[in-house]
Amino acid sequence: QSVLTQPPSVSAAPGQKVTISCSGSSSNVGNNYVSWYQQHPGTAAKLLIYDNNRRPSGIPDRFSGSKSGTSATLDITGLQTGDEADYYCGTWDSSLSAFVFGTGTKVTVL
Amino acid sequence: EGQLVESGGGLVQPGGSLRLSCAASGFTFSGYWMYWVRQAPGKGLEWVACIKGDGSAKYYLDSVKGRFTVSGDNAKSSLYLQMNSLRVEDTAVYYCARDGVGAGPDFDYWGQGTLVTVSS
Repeated sequence: QSVLTQPPSVSAAPGQKVTISCSGSSSNVGNNYVSWYQQHPGTAAKLLIYDNNRRPSGIPDRFSGSKSGTSATLDITGLQTGDEADYYCGTWDSSLSAFVFGTGTKVTVL
Repeated sequence: EGQLVESGGGLVQPGGSLRLSCAASGFTFSGYWMYWVRQAPGKGLEWVACIKGDGSAKYYLDSVKGRFTVSGDNAKSSLYLQMNSLRVEDTAVYYCARDGVGAGPDFDYWGQGTLVTVSS
């Protein structure tokens, strides 16, 4: 049972924006860096955001991350059909001494 | 460009053992934390274990402590996961991943995954 809570699904039309939340606690999101991952069916996950809001080389600026208190957010603007995938947040949990992933969010492009 | 290739998955009976390997290339293996992440069929990602590049620190998911052992061979640029006393609930695709350049743990390179099925 994950300690990071995400909405099961979000959806929007092409070109629109979706926001995915990741809710945790002071032992994880509140005091550690958050990363975000995109996973298409049958493939390995891909790093989208690290250190709360930094993008790896090659990740378009349509993807942005932020953090406030014990919650983090991933925004995807200019939604494209290729953005249909599962998205996961993740961070270290200092109380568990373990890395924890969020419950995952399925993004659907209408 | 870093690359990770896992091997060693397969079908094993409950209580059995399996050793997964992850061959790394394209980066200095000893300089990075390395991770094992798994994904049960139809489920989300779950972190399993990690090891510091010099082997001086290791962490495990509670449910695998005492059963799984993570290790690395810097000379071979390889990561391993020895899995003993396997349970049906350990059935998953197992990925190895490299810690990225961020200040916090993050996984910038992933292998293709290897499927472990625990069933009688």
